[in-house]
This record gives sequence, structure tokens and C-alpha cells, in this order.
Amino acid sequence: NAGVTQTPKFQVLKTGQSMTLQCAQDMNHNSMYWYRQDPGMGLRLIYYSASEGTTDKGEVPNGYNVSRLNKREFSLRLESAAPSQTSVYFCAIRNNEQFFGPGTRLTVL
Amino acid sequence: KQEVTQIPAALSVPEGENLVLNCSFTDSAIYNLQWFRQDPGKGLTSLLLIQSSQREQTSGRLNASLDKSSGRSTLYIAASQPGDSATYLCAVRKGSGNTPLVFGKGTRLSVIA
Repeated sequence: NAGVTQTPKFQVLKTGQSMTLQCAQDMNHNSMYWYRQDPGMGLRLIYYSASEGTTDKGEVPNGYNVSRLNKREFSLRLESAAPSQTSVYFCAIRNNEQFFGPGTRLTVL
Repeated sequence: KQEVTQIPAALSVPEGENLVLNCSFTDSAIYNLQWFRQDPGKGLTSLLLIQSSQREQTSGRLNASLDKSSGRSTLYIAASQPGDSATYLCAVRKGSGNTPLVFGKGTRLSVIA
């Protein structure tokens, strides 16, 4: 997981609260991705960013917003958290071979 | 829509055994295939990347093969060790550039000492 950091590592929210998950990379790659991982569902793409200033929806974008602040950082925002968003969230980088961050474990009560 | 299946979902073997993990995909028009390892509570670690033009890749005790026409890949682990215990994930990409990965649900491997 070298080169990709995610904060926070753990978070508990109440339904309706908002929060932003942060991802930063020091590998100078253009492409960054947000996935969620759920038991029995595998990893699913939420949003991705091909380059600074661009973002695109993935398979499960509803309830999320993203921001590509600069080449290093790609944030994921939950405006009004729901229990269905309880999951482990992973940030990934690069095009050809993807590398993943350590993840954020989010629980929404 | 591309679907990736990994069989078995879980596997338990004694230390020292050679083993094969299977991955199948429904659309053979892939750009590449990547195998990952995930330890409990951790992120994904890339093990091997096979481009669509390649038949196999090797890294240490790991060998991954790709048969695009039949929509299959295998990950061979030689002389398994307890430290190999983890979940192994297979993922395929349809195109180059920013085409996202499609993941299988993984095979949970336990190697018993």
C-alpha cells in the first residue's frame, strides 16, 4: 500500500451525518479511484478520476460526491449518511496496474 | 456486462501443498487481468498483472495463467505456507486508459501448519 494513504482509518456516523473520506498519493499518477467492499458483494467502483479536474461515475455512485482537489488528492463525500453506506472504502491509483490504499472502515448507525 | 467468478469461495489445505485458484470471466475481450491478495482488515496487494497478449506471469512461488478465449485464469501457488493464508481476488479490465476493474468475490485460502 506504499504511496496511497487514506484518512480516517475508522469512522462511526449516525444516519444523516456527513463526512469526507480523504485519499492522497505520492506516486504522481493521473488516475484515482474509489471502491467500496461489502461482504458477499466484492469490490464495486463508486467514482473515478482520470486526471485533475475530471471525475466520472462508477457502478454505485448514488449517495456520494467526489472532488479531485489536485493531482495528489481525491476525496469522497457522504452528504447524508445512510446505514446502507456501512462498508470498507478503498482508494486506488494508476491505470494499467492498480494499487490500493489501506482502506477506511465506516459504520453508519 | 462483465462478470467475474472465483471458485471455490473458500479453500483449506495443509502446508506444503501446491494449489490452484480459479477465476472465470464472461466477456473474453479484456485488456488485462490482475490478481490481488487481501489480508483480514487490510487493503489489497497486487500480486500479478497479465496483459491480454500474455499467457502467464510468474513471481516467486506464484504463477498466473490466462486463457482469454475460454475466459479463464488460474493462480498457482507452489509449496503453500501458513503465511499464504489470505483472500485472493481476481479482477479484469475491459480496455486501456481509465476503464475500471471488475472484481470477483475472492477465494479465502487457509493454509494449515
